Amino acid sequence: AQSVSQHNHHVILSEAASLELGCNYSYGGTVNLFWYVQYPGQHLQLLLKYFSGDPLVKGIKGFEAEFIKSKFSFNLRKPSVQWSDTAEYFCAVTISGGYQKVTFGTGTKLQVIP
Amino acid sequence: KAGVTQTPRYLIKTRGQQVTLSCSPISGHRSVSWYQQTPGQGLQFLFEYFSETQRNKGNFPGRFSGRQFSNSRSEMNVSTLELGDSALYLCASSSMNPTLNNEQFFGPGTRLTVL
Repeated sequence: AQSVSQHNHHVILSEAASLELGCNYSYGGTVNLFWYVQYPGQHLQLLLKYFSGDPLVKGIKGFEAEFIKSKFSFNLRKPSVQWSDTAEYFCAVTISGGYQKVTFGTGTKLQVIP
Repeated sequence: KAGVTQTPRYLIKTRGQQVTLSCSPISGHRSVSWYQQTPGQGLQFLFEYFSETQRNKGNFPGRFSGRQFSNSRSEMNVSTLELGDSALYLCASSSMNPTLNNEQFFGPGTRLTVL
């Protein structure tokens, strides 16, 4: 069974700082990878996704993630964070072509200080 | 297109009671998944339904059950509530369109508090 690890549980950054949130998964086959974001008081929404092709994926609001197959990683990055990026971020994985069992990481809370 | 809706949004129950939560997926979506979200545990998969059949199940006790109706609406039931069942219960739907490849759309959740 697949699993997802997010090692940073709580990250505090000042505005304009660069962000990188780690995500590692364990599964030997082909996977689909996602980052979801949950803003305070709002529901989960998709930030970006990787299915195949270019391993550097660009999402909404200036976020990007890079799939490194050899490291089983899908880290989320943003060059300059804003206060409005304060949220909880979840990495998720599904087996490509499989059914809808989505495995989520435990989440990383990002707090951006103005 | 309307998003995923969940009712009720908030619930307060006492230990030993049972509760039923409802989820209406996006129109045309046939797959519905349920998750339990708690601080520190993240999102834990409960089960997934497709065309009224449970296709996947997470590691939760039998007190947690669900079903899906012919219109794709889904309900989950928790019997004999325990304090530890207090959580945000999220529903997600998917079209199962191969080109969209398992992207899920989440509802706002039902906040269950067990006293």
